[in-house]
Amino acid sequence: AQSVTQLDSQVPVFEEAPVELRCNYSSSVSVYLFWYVQYPNQGLQLLLKYLSGSTLVKGINGFEAEFNKSQTSFHLRKPSVHISDTAEYFCAVSEVPGTGNQFYFGTGTSLTVIP
Amino acid sequence: EPEVTQTPSHQVTQMGQEVILRCVPISNHLYFYWYRQILGQKVEFLVSFYNNEISEKSEIFDDQFSVERPDGSNFTLKIRSTKLEDSAMYFCASSGTGTAAYEQYFGPGTRLTVT
Repeated sequence: AQSVTQLDSQVPVFEEAPVELRCNYSSSVSVYLFWYVQYPNQGLQLLLKYLSGSTLVKGINGFEAEFNKSQTSFHLRKPSVHISDTAEYFCAVSEVPGTGNQFYFGTGTSLTVIP
Repeated sequence: EPEVTQTPSHQVTQMGQEVILRCVPISNHLYFYWYRQILGQKVEFLVSFYNNEISEKSEIFDDQFSVERPDGSNFTLKIRSTKLEDSAMYFCASSGTGTAAYEQYFGPGTRLTVT
């Protein structure tokens, strides 16, 4: 089974500053990688995904993430955050091929953008 | 844009009662999932369902849980005799086939409160 680590449980950052949310996973097998965002009292919305190809993937709302196989990491970045980016961010991993396509989630990072 | 829907948004039940959580996956998706998120904790996989049978389940998904696709559009999670520790947000997700099987779209969740 996968272990997904999001080292930073809370990240406060000033508006228009850059941010990086870290995600590391344990697998030695091929994986697909995802970032989801959860706004208060809402469900999980897919921000971006890495399935194959370029290791730098771009998602919605100006976010991007880089897959680093040697470091088993998939860190999420945004060059300039907005107040509306305040939310919980979850990294998720799926093994390839896997049985049942289950996702393994990290514990989440709460991003708070300060005006 | 097609989306996964879930009903009810909030369910309150007494310990020992049966509950059924309902989901309508995206119409052309063939894989269906249930996850749960206990307050303040990470999202945990419960079960995946494909071709009218369970393809994988976690240790959490014991005999008290069952899933069903009663018709062509609904996907349900039943908890036979609820316990206090079943209180959580339950998310339904669905995905397509091929590599799209790994792109899971989540519903807004049902908050289950067991008293």
